[in-house]
Formats: sequence, structure tokens, C-alpha cells
Amino acid sequence: QQQVKQSPQSLIVQKGGISIINCAYENTAFDYFPWYQQFPGKGPALLIAIRPDVSEKKEGRFTISFNKSAKQFSLHIMDSQPGDSATYFCAASIVSMIELSFGAGTTVTVRA
Amino acid sequence: GAGVSQSPRYKVAKRGQDVALRCDPISGHVSLFWYQQALGQGPEFLTYFQNEAQLDKSGLPSDRFFAERPEGSVSTLKIQRTQQEDSAVYLCASSLNREDTQYFGPGTRLTVL
Repeated sequence: QQQVKQSPQSLIVQKGGISIINCAYENTAFDYFPWYQQFPGKGPALLIAIRPDVSEKKEGRFTISFNKSAKQFSLHIMDSQPGDSATYFCAASIVSMIELSFGAGTTVTVRA
Repeated sequence: GAGVSQSPRYKVAKRGQDVALRCDPISGHVSLFWYQQALGQGPEFLTYFQNEAQLDKSGLPSDRFFAERPEGSVSTLKIQRTQQEDSAVYLCASSLNREDTQYFGPGTRLTVL
């Protein structure tokens, strides 16, 4: 049973545009929400993460928005660049339990 | 410094063969995780070690799968009598301590014919 649902499955954005990826979860015990970026042939790499005590976190061009009441969180990639073309995974965990539950992934293609 | 490394990067096995996949974590990392990533899907948790102790193996899909980390560093994931449904990328991750960021290796792509 997938504990984190991610959408869309794929998206195409023009260079300079905004990419938005959404995730939803059911388990209210989750208290850590990371986003991972994965390039073909590579393992996932942590991009940015948030805990539920804040509603937004920004690092450079990447922003996580978190809505605790709706049990949803999203990744916004501002000023998208061709080098951002990758698969993005949201994930969630209960920190004390360690195990990460991943979404199915979103393949982002940024067209120059 | 060096990241997590895994070997082999690619493995082709005939159905019924046993395979062993190796993970070298980042030096000094106490925690080590194995995940299975099916094509087009997100990684799914298999098992977790803290030093040499396997503290969680709830994600292992069958008793054909087992993992070890005898000296608290290198880990091996072994799959006995491989089946076609075992075909996936097997990812290893390590973290300094249990609640720290997990750093992933490049994975081993297993194809069972």
C-alpha cells in the first residue's frame, strides 16, 4: 500500500518556467518530508526537506510548501533549467522509525 | 570524500540462481539501508542496520532475501533462487546516525531472465 501519493507522473516545462509537483499522505504520524532528485543511472540525492512545524521552506530555486491540515506537500522549482531535468521523489517518514516511504516519482523535462 | 558505492552495477541472473549484491557505505556511517526500486516506481524499504545489528527487516519480500553487515561496515544483500519479479534496482543508503540524511549509492540493476 503506497503511503505517499505523488502527481503528476511527468511534466514538461519551458526553461525559466515553474515546475510544481504534489504529494499527499495519510499517516498523520509522519513528521519528516524530504524531496529527492534522481538522474538516470544514479541513486536519489536529497534536495530539500521539511518538518511539519513550518509551512514553507525555500532553498535557492526550490521551495517546499506544506499543508498539515490537508496532509499535502508540494515542490516548486522556480526558473527551471535544463539541468533540472530528472525524476523527483517525495517521501515521508516517522523520524524515530527511520524508514522512508517514497512516492512513485515525477519525471521533469525542461525544454531549452 | 567517497560516497556510497555498490557492486556490481549490473547483474543478469537466470531464474533460480543465487545473487549477492554489495554495498560500501560512507566511512563512519552507522546506519545502512537497503531499498528496492522497481522500474518507474519509487524506492521501497527492505531492511535497516545500525552497525552490525539488523534492526528492521520488515520490508524483505520473502525468505529468499536476506542481508548481513557482519563488521558494521560493508553490507551484502543476498537473494536466493531468484525469480523474475526480483528484477529491480537495489539501492543502498547510509547515514551518519539513524535520524540523519540518507545518502544513496548508484544502485545495482538486477535482471532475472
